[in-house]
Amino acid sequence: GQQVMQIPQYQHVQEGEDFTTYCNSSTTLSNIQWYKQRPGGHPVFLIQLVKSGEVKKQKRLTFQFGEAKKNSSLHITATQTTDVGTYFCAVYSGNTPLVFGKGTRLSVIA
Amino acid sequence: DAMVIQNPRYQVTQFGKPVTLSCSQTLNHNVMYWYQQKSSQAPKLLFHYYDKDFNNEADTPDNFQSRRPNTSFCFLDIRSPGLGDAAMYLCATSSLSGNTEAFFGQGTRLTVV
Repeated sequence: GQQVMQIPQYQHVQEGEDFTTYCNSSTTLSNIQWYKQRPGGHPVFLIQLVKSGEVKKQKRLTFQFGEAKKNSSLHITATQTTDVGTYFCAVYSGNTPLVFGKGTRLSVIA
Repeated sequence: DAMVIQNPRYQVTQFGKPVTLSCSQTLNHNVMYWYQQKSSQAPKLLFHYYDKDFNNEADTPDNFQSRRPNTSFCFLDIRSPGLGDAAMYLCATSSLSGNTEAFFGQGTRLTVV
């Protein structure tokens, strides 16, 4: 089934610093989704990217889908303590149901 | 308003004693998923239903079974829980198209003693 590699596994930042997590696939993706899971919580949908080269913004979060639709990134500008959690990319592929990357755990030091 | 509800939130079971986790949804979604998530790991897909069609992941142990009696409800049965089955179990739903967001329940944390 479809798999995505996600890096880094962990990221510790000072509050106010930027943060980026990356997902990469060896095959072309039809779309990619991003989820956030707070400590002790469940994954919550953030966004879906579909188009080649697509860029979407949600306040301080910027999501990009690569031109070849094989990679994606999530960038957070000026992190806050509320950004703490694990960020997962996830993909569908044809009839393959939603499969998650390993996630990037973000810690923000106040 | 909760849209995907899992019960119970916490479940303690004895080694080898069958246990059932439940999930219900008010979204009328056709697809329902069960994931297992161990500490500091990503959710791992166990199986999913596409309407009544059951789809098992190749590496899901036979110890795990599922039932979906109707659109709203789905159950995860662990026939003989082992210590390695202790985890958070997440239920999720999505619409028929599949390429839409998944809605997760709050999960059931299973402890095996």
